[in-house]
Amino acid sequence: EADIYQTPRYLVIGTGKKITLECSQTMGHDKMYWYQQDPGMELHLIHYSYGVNSTEKGDLSSESTVSRIRTEHFPLTLESARPSHTSQYLCASSPTTSGLGYEQYFGPGTRLTVT
Amino acid sequence: AQRVTQPEKLLSVFKGAPVELKCNYSYSGSPELFWYVQYSRQRLQLLLRHISRESIKGFTADLNKGETSFHLKKPFAQEEDSAMYYCALPLPNAGGTSYGKLTFGQGTILTVHP
Repeated sequence: EADIYQTPRYLVIGTGKKITLECSQTMGHDKMYWYQQDPGMELHLIHYSYGVNSTEKGDLSSESTVSRIRTEHFPLTLESARPSHTSQYLCASSPTTSGLGYEQYFGPGTRLTVT
Repeated sequence: AQRVTQPEKLLSVFKGAPVELKCNYSYSGSPELFWYVQYSRQRLQLLLRHISRESIKGFTADLNKGETSFHLKKPFAQEEDSAMYYCALPLPNAGGTSYGKLTFGQGTILTVHP
């Protein structure tokens, strides 16, 4: 079934640890995105990718990094987690078709808590 | 700069009452606007887009270029409409294309009481 997956769903980790949040989609979409959803529930774009080996930073500065080695996989990495990174992280993808170019499909999210 | 504003963080109505969630935008050009919804314990999902001029789950939204608004309306709210609603706008690159990027408003939490 075509879907977008995120693992883990919940993560509690100590300060200074390196973490990778996984995002995979089986929808055949070229574009993928990472959003940070803060406690006030605002949604901010932190990374996006047009395709393999193409990544850009979003409108919210983030210490995280991303990679896009395969079309279906878009992991987000924090080299050294801090309490300020505590948030919900949402992954999304969208098709290239111009008529549907802005409809984004979201994963279930990863709720990260850094202690 | 492209921006979406949802002035109401919280909105409460009773079942059967009309509801209107406000969205104002600033955008150079002809915008394509969207409403996304997040029900409790569910994923964020597209509710409707102005270009399709459709009604989804009884909701409609009309683009008013004069007032730069895209308010979401429903004549008779239901309890299952309780959710977080986001208005969204394409976020272009410096060259003017957006490549599918969106900027979201701050969100409005709608609660429909029985």
